[in-house]
Amino acid sequence: DIQMTQSPSSLSAYIGDRVTITCRASQSISTYLNWYQQKPGEAPKLLIYTASTLEYGVPSRFSGSGSGTHFTLTISSLQPEDFATYYCQQSYSTRTFGQGTKVDVK
Amino acid sequence: QVRLVQSGAEVKKPGASVKVSCKASGYTFISYGISWVRQAPGQGLEWMGRISEYSGKTMYTQNLQGRVTMTTDTSTNTAYMELRSLRSDDTAVYYCTRDPLGSGYFDYWGQGTLVTVSS
Repeated sequence: DIQMTQSPSSLSAYIGDRVTITCRASQSISTYLNWYQQKPGEAPKLLIYTASTLEYGVPSRFSGSGSGTHFTLTISSLQPEDFATYYCQQSYSTRTFGQGTKVDVK
Repeated sequence: QVRLVQSGAEVKKPGASVKVSCKASGYTFISYGISWVRQAPGQGLEWMGRISEYSGKTMYTQNLQGRVTMTTDTSTNTAYMELRSLRSDDTAVYYCTRDPLGSGYFDYWGQGTLVTVSS
């Protein structure tokens, strides 16, 4: 099974900060990597698919990059509604999620 | 608009079975796969398995093999997930998701169903 490891597990940031979350795969997954945002009590929401394609309706301050085993999710200017937990997910071989990164207010 | 509406919360005893339903609307049900994802309290997301569009072929995560069955009823546009021999660590919110063919991502999610396993 392909393991996905996110870092950090949590981070604190100010409104307006640039935030970067990293996701590493235990083997190469090309660009079969997706990102989700989850707020407390809600279902996750798809943000980015195939590593860098923004889902329709997702603000352009979110971006994704990477291929192979190393991927990043970047929020260019953190907004109040962005405080949430973020998950990466690979779809190269079945499906596996990372353990999540919680973003909270500093 | 696309909607996935799940059945209500369940409380089960260890060793029992649970069957969660997921009724789809707003798209051509048979043209999309359905994946199930669960989340234990305070924990991350775990993919459980997928049932394919058209063929109904299933694939399950290895650690649930033998205990989980996913099915669909195309006459009612409803997907089902049955989990047997429940244990306390099966306590979780269970989500159905739309999983488009060849995409590998989950573009729509149900609201979640809390299954509590307790004696």
